[in-house]
Amino acid sequence: AAGVIQSPRHLIKEKRETATLKCYPIPRHDTVYWYQQGPGQDPQFLISFYEKMQSDKGSIPDRFSAQQFSDYHSELNMSSLELGDSALYFCASSFGGNYGYTFGSGTRLTVV
Amino acid sequence: QQQVKQSPQSLIVQKGGISIINCAYENTAFDYFPWYQQFPGKGPALLIAIRPDVSEKKEGRFTISFNKSAKQFSLHIMDSQPGDSATYFCAASGGFGNQGGKLIFGQGTELSVKP
Repeated sequence: AAGVIQSPRHLIKEKRETATLKCYPIPRHDTVYWYQQGPGQDPQFLISFYEKMQSDKGSIPDRFSAQQFSDYHSELNMSSLELGDSALYFCASSFGGNYGYTFGSGTRLTVV
Repeated sequence: QQQVKQSPQSLIVQKGGISIINCAYENTAFDYFPWYQQFPGKGPALLIAIRPDVSEKKEGRFTISFNKSAKQFSLHIMDSQPGDSATYFCAASGGFGNQGGKLIFGQGTELSVKP
């Protein structure tokens, strides 16, 4: 079965650089969620989209922005990167915003 | 403030034993309580979930017990196997009617099952 695809899997950036993370939801899923997981931490909700509109916003820094495109894939744009942004970033998708959504394998971002 | 509190932080169990992980929540609007299993470098994978209108749900070796009045729920892993060694997260969501929403995670439990 198709899963949530995230790219890239690993990303190394320098401080103050910009990064773009991509998420391709399961086919026919129209809801996307982004989470950030620091080392040894639980995942923290960043932002979500339903039918290409932002549906909820969590602890996402102003330096980050995200959008969902017409094909339902989503991109998380991160600017002025800081060392503290180093983390695993997970995307999850669901149909109709229903519970029990599926997570991707994540993008490991390292800021040096 | 941690809305979902999970314990223990780590757990060591012998093969064939029962692993028990507990969670407590505060927000009475929560109406969906899943458990996720996460292996290193992988995304969380949904194990089992429960709604507050039932007190117990069993799927294979995994059972959720739910106590609405105490605002607590727990995961029991029967006949624990070394392949169960992973980090387990409880989570909660709700207040959105039938719509899904953001998950509030517990702090995680690192389970190690010894052969």
